[in-house]
Parts: sequence; structure tokens; C-alpha cells
Amino acid sequence: DTGVSQDPRHKITKRGQNVTFRCDPISEHNRLYWYRQTLGQGPEFLTYFQNEAQLEKSRLLSDRFSAERPKGSFSTLEIQRTEQGDSAMYLCASSFRDGPYEQYFGPGTRLTVT
Amino acid sequence: EDKVVQSPLSLVVHEGDTVTLNCSYEVTNFRSLLWYKQEKKAPTFLFMLTSSGIEKKSGRLSSILDKKELFSILNITATQTGDSAVYLCAVGDMKTSYDKVIFGPGTSLSVIP
Repeated sequence: DTGVSQDPRHKITKRGQNVTFRCDPISEHNRLYWYRQTLGQGPEFLTYFQNEAQLEKSRLLSDRFSAERPKGSFSTLEIQRTEQGDSAMYLCASSFRDGPYEQYFGPGTRLTVT
Repeated sequence: EDKVVQSPLSLVVHEGDTVTLNCSYEVTNFRSLLWYKQEKKAPTFLFMLTSSGIEKKSGRLSSILDKKELFSILNITATQTGDSAVYLCAVGDMKTSYDKVIFGPGTSLSVIP
């Protein structure tokens, strides 16, 4: 399968714990996006990488959130000191070079904070 | 503030019906409009529109963009139960170094036999 993959698919954690998600984009795509989606809403942009450079972060991304993309390949999204409001589907998408992009989405990681 | 509005938010039709989904937007520097289909998983790409008045078609689905009135429609003819999904509209807003993509809330379509 050469699509975008995400791991884990589901994560249940207790409030206050840290969690880390991984995204492997389509190999030739140099743009990578993280989104958060809650029930009944469209995906909300969180952050964007072009190669290894993080070029934009949403105001939604509090200091408890951090994302990396070492070597411009896979990316990780870490949430520290999780809160119940962090419960959502976290989607990763990738696209090829310059837009205007079709973004290809991964299956998402569903986070539940209890 | 940039925003994308979709209507209706939900819709129930019978197989064979034709449906029209609407998307209107307000963004600073429009780059493109994209339609996605989301079933119980990640969104899958349907269309990308950049020019007004040029219809994009794929089977029973078609879409057109009006950049003057700032909206797009997605038509589905002869609907089937497999068309049941959330249809997301997204707009690319050209920022300094990249194009931010803003999604609408989606239209939930249910096609009943």
C-alpha cells in the first residue's frame, strides 16, 4: 500500500498523559499536513511541513502540541498533558510539491481522553 | 476571517434522486476549491476547481465553480446507497509560503433504497 499511513489508529489515554502519533506520507510527497476533526465538523488545520521545515502552525495548536518531521519523511504529533477537549480524530495528509494540491489523507488516529 | 459554508448540513434522498450540494466561501486569496467524500474513514479526493464556469465530471458526479459569486456546487445524479457519505468542501487560501486549506463542516448525505 503506497498511501498515507498513520499509527496508531486508535488511542485511549487518561487525562494528563502524553501521546504521540505518527504519519508516513506518500513517499514522493514533500508537503505534509496535520488536521484535527471532531464530530460533525470538517478537518481543522493544525500544522504544515514542507520537507522538514514546519512552515505554519494554527492558533489551535497550543503549547502542549508539538510536531516534527525529521529528514522530511515521516512526521510525529505529540500532545502533552492531554485534556478531554483533545479527544478527536487526528488526520494527516500529504501532497506533492507545489499546489494546488490534491491532499491525500491517511486513515486518521482517533484519540479518546478519559 | 476565512470561512467555508456548506448547505444543507444533512440530506436524505431516495436512490435514483439527483442532489445538489452547495459550498460558499470567503477567503483572502483564493487558490482552489476542492471537494472530498468522507465515509467512516479519511476524506477521499473528488475534484479540484480553479477556474469559473468549467465543469468537472466524474461519472455521476459533477462540480462547477463561480469565483464571482464565491460558491461551488456538487451534483450527484441517479444517487446510489454507496453515495451515502459526508461531502466536504475545502478552499485553498494562498498565504505567504504555502496554501492553507480551509474545510467546511460538510454535508451528510444519506441515500435510502
